[in-house]
Amino acid sequence: QKEVEQNSGPLSVPEGAIASLNCTYSDRGSQSFFWYRQYSGKSPELIMSIYSNGDKEDGRFTAQLNKASQYVSLLIRDSQPSDSATYLCAVTSGTYKYIFGTGTRLKVLA
Amino acid sequence: GAGVSQTPSNKVTEKGKYVELRCDPISGHTALYWYRQSLGQGPEFLIYFQGTGAADDSGLPNDRFFAVRPEGSVSTLKIQRTERGDSAVYLCASSLVAGGYNEQFFGPGTRLTVL
Repeated sequence: QKEVEQNSGPLSVPEGAIASLNCTYSDRGSQSFFWYRQYSGKSPELIMSIYSNGDKEDGRFTAQLNKASQYVSLLIRDSQPSDSATYLCAVTSGTYKYIFGTGTRLKVLA
Repeated sequence: GAGVSQTPSNKVTEKGKYVELRCDPISGHTALYWYRQSLGQGPEFLIYFQGTGAADDSGLPNDRFFAVRPEGSVSTLKIQRTERGDSAVYLCASSLVAGGYNEQFFGPGTRLTVL
């Protein structure tokens, strides 16, 4: 079992819709969770961090964390074509190293 | 500088050669991380430093890989006897301090191609 799992996609949504991206992790001791966006040929860019169970909102983005289910998600409201990218979930493990999932490719259709 | 910088942006080398990749973290950031990313994969952890010391090098694939950060700022990732399988984008990130509640910021990466 991979430590951080994401559906590779592509996830296609129409412009203006809500995109829902999911991530599960195996280490129950993980305390910190991050979402990064990565455009093709570019490096990852931090979007959100979340540390406590529940929801955290920042503009059009909402991160959701459920530690009991070992599940973290990212919702993107009013999706735009410019949101088309790969979204990486990262989880801290052990000595504070980050473990990344393989990413979900999102396509927002105009 | 404002962000993490990495040099060179691209490196092409021949199998068996030695390469050095450099990372300059955000000013004031004490933690520095190295990752390797292959096509279609997420970043794979290699090593991280808190200050000058390697706090966790469990991701280095073998003894051909080595990294240093002698003055607690710039870091160099060194790869000896390169192999074609080493071809990837090598990413560096930094954070204020090492710790799960500290966000990491990535540099633009070095694309390494081993022929």
